Amino acid sequence: QKEVEQNSGPLSVPEGAIASLNCTYSDRGSQSFFWYRQYSGKSPELIMFIYSNGDKEDGRFTAQLNKASQYVSLLIRDSQPSDSATYLCAVLGSNFGNEKLTFGTGTRLTIIP
Amino acid sequence: DAGVTQSPTHLIKTRGQQVTLRCSPKSGHDTVSWYQQALGQGPQFIFQYYEEEERQRGNFPDRFSGHQFPNYSSELNVNALLLGDSALYLCASSLGRVSYGYTFGSGTRLTVV
Repeated sequence: QKEVEQNSGPLSVPEGAIASLNCTYSDRGSQSFFWYRQYSGKSPELIMFIYSNGDKEDGRFTAQLNKASQYVSLLIRDSQPSDSATYLCAVLGSNFGNEKLTFGTGTRLTIIP
Repeated sequence: DAGVTQSPTHLIKTRGQQVTLRCSPKSGHDTVSWYQQALGQGPQFIFQYYEEEERQRGNFPDRFSGHQFPNYSSELNVNALLLGDSALYLCASSLGRVSYGYTFGSGTRLTVV
């Protein structure tokens, strides 16, 4: 089982619709979760992080965390063509001494005008 | 406020050669992590440096080595290059524990021929 799993896509969403990106993780003790956006040929850019169960909203982005199900998601409302990118889910290790981010393979999102 | 700076941006090397990649962390950050990202994959953790010591290491051979200097800048060295080492190498910096996520540099694209 991979430590962090994402559907690689591609995920196609019409402009103006809601894009939903999902991620599961294997380390039940993980406490911190991150979503990065990566445009083709560029480096990852942090969008949001979430620590607590429930929802966290930032503009058009909402991160959702369910630790019992070991599931984290990212919703993008009113999707724009500029949102077309690969979205990486990352999880912070739970053990002292394991302080690294582990990334999923990413989900490629395409917003269709 | 300078972000994470990496050099060079692109590099072409021949199999068997050695390469050194450089990274200057974001101002105020003291921890540097290196990642390898192959095409279509998520970033893979190589190692992390804190207080000039390797704090954690991923599943990479000893051909990959690094260093952190007193000013927190870092180098990644790869010896005996293989074709499979061709990838985007990302440097990420953070302050202490990665509670707020990493800031990534723009990366070094290494091509081994």
